[in-house]
Amino acid sequence: EVQLVESGGGLVQPGGSLTLSCATSGFTFSLYYMTWVRQAPGKGLEWVASIKDDGSEKYYGDSVRGRFTISRDSAKNSLYLEMNSLRVDDTAVYYCARDTIGDHWGQGTVVTISS
Amino acid sequence: SYVLTQPPSVSVAPGKTATITCGGNNIGTKSVHWSQQKPGQAPVLVIYYDNDRPSGIPDRFSGSNSGNTATLTISRVEGGDEADYYCQVWDANSEHPGVVYGGGTKLTVL
Repeated sequence: EVQLVESGGGLVQPGGSLTLSCATSGFTFSLYYMTWVRQAPGKGLEWVASIKDDGSEKYYGDSVRGRFTISRDSAKNSLYLEMNSLRVDDTAVYYCARDTIGDHWGQGTVVTISS
Repeated sequence: SYVLTQPPSVSVAPGKTATITCGGNNIGTKSVHWSQQKPGQAPVLVIYYDNDRPSGIPDRFSGSNSGNTATLTISRVEGGDEADYYCQVWDANSEHPGVVYGGGTKLTVL
């Protein structure tokens, strides 16, 4: 059974940093692109970033490019999202998803940016 | 950047057919995927590559894609189908390739 479990969310002040993790199991992690998607309260889905199966290519949404970094560790079957210079409008539930099509999703981790 | 346009809401009576559209410039040349999200839950993929269904998704769900419009069709709608539905594509043609989501459509079962 494919499982994705996010962690690392929390309350951070504007300008701060946070790193999210996504532990995966039930599939060959190294064969799949992986993706982060977020959802602000009461809003729709917003793509954040994707990373190629071997980590050689990374793609970012306009609102996070230059502030967020996606990475992966195949030895740990884990996906990461390092978030810097956080803003109030980064407040959201952050989901990790398998592939760019999102054929499997985690349950999400809540990130709140507030002073 | 590429834009996907969905109607904010669609209403349908139980047993009838719901049609949710996703508009985009020449979207027929792209692969479209649809996800369902119920309140408080993570999204679930219901249609991928225009008209394929993941295992466990009822055959009441189908998709089509041509020209400037992709469509998710839900036949014999049930109360449990009430949810938000999102279309998405991979935009490879922009300066910064990436996933694009539509704004979402809230399906209400009357």
